[in-house]
Amino acid sequence: QQQVKQSPQSLIVQKGGISIINCAYENTAFDYFPWYQQFPGKGPALLIAIRPDVSEKKEGRFTISFNKSAKQFSLHIMDSQPGDSATYFCAAGKSQGNLIFGKGTKLSVKP
Amino acid sequence: KAGVTQTPRYLIKTRGQQVTLSCSPISGHRSVSWYQQTPGQGLQFLFEYFSETQRNKGNFPGRFSGRQFSNSRSEMNVSTLELGDSALYLCASSLERGRETQYFGPGTRLLVL
Repeated sequence: QQQVKQSPQSLIVQKGGISIINCAYENTAFDYFPWYQQFPGKGPALLIAIRPDVSEKKEGRFTISFNKSAKQFSLHIMDSQPGDSATYFCAAGKSQGNLIFGKGTKLSVKP
Repeated sequence: KAGVTQTPRYLIKTRGQQVTLSCSPISGHRSVSWYQQTPGQGLQFLFEYFSETQRNKGNFPGRFSGRQFSNSRSEMNVSTLELGDSALYLCASSLERGRETQYFGPGTRLLVL
């Protein structure tokens, strides 16, 4: 009930394309779903987050889509750029609780 | 405002030794969480401290312990090191508990030989 499953493990996208990363969770008590971006040698940095009362949130080229009934959420990166090449982690958690992270997706954007 | 700082950045130890890692949160942040990151298991939650008290604990053996000081700085200790403890240890701070944004430090890379 505590797992967050993330796919794919790795993703190669051409510059200008759309990158899509999916996550699924089990615990219906989770009420916070952030995405983190991590570059080599750095700690993860918060990219965008969503709560279950909305189905979509957009910030610049990054969009989270949330499907509460399916217990799934996804990150879409529009107009992907080589600078977006990094590892992306989804996470889920509940108030006063810790975050459970997915295993990560290594994104490579080819010029 | 300075970010989360962790010291040391790199550490090499041998099996059976113990190690102490340090984390200084962003000024004003009172919650500090620790995570272990490995290629196989990803990011796994170790524990969270708030107001010098451990509030949450992950599924790690008792060899992993931590504490928080009155200035919110935190340390984690691993005793009797095992090869499998080799990992990147990340500290994250947030203003309060709950769904506040967690800001991660660069991590301490520990290698156990």
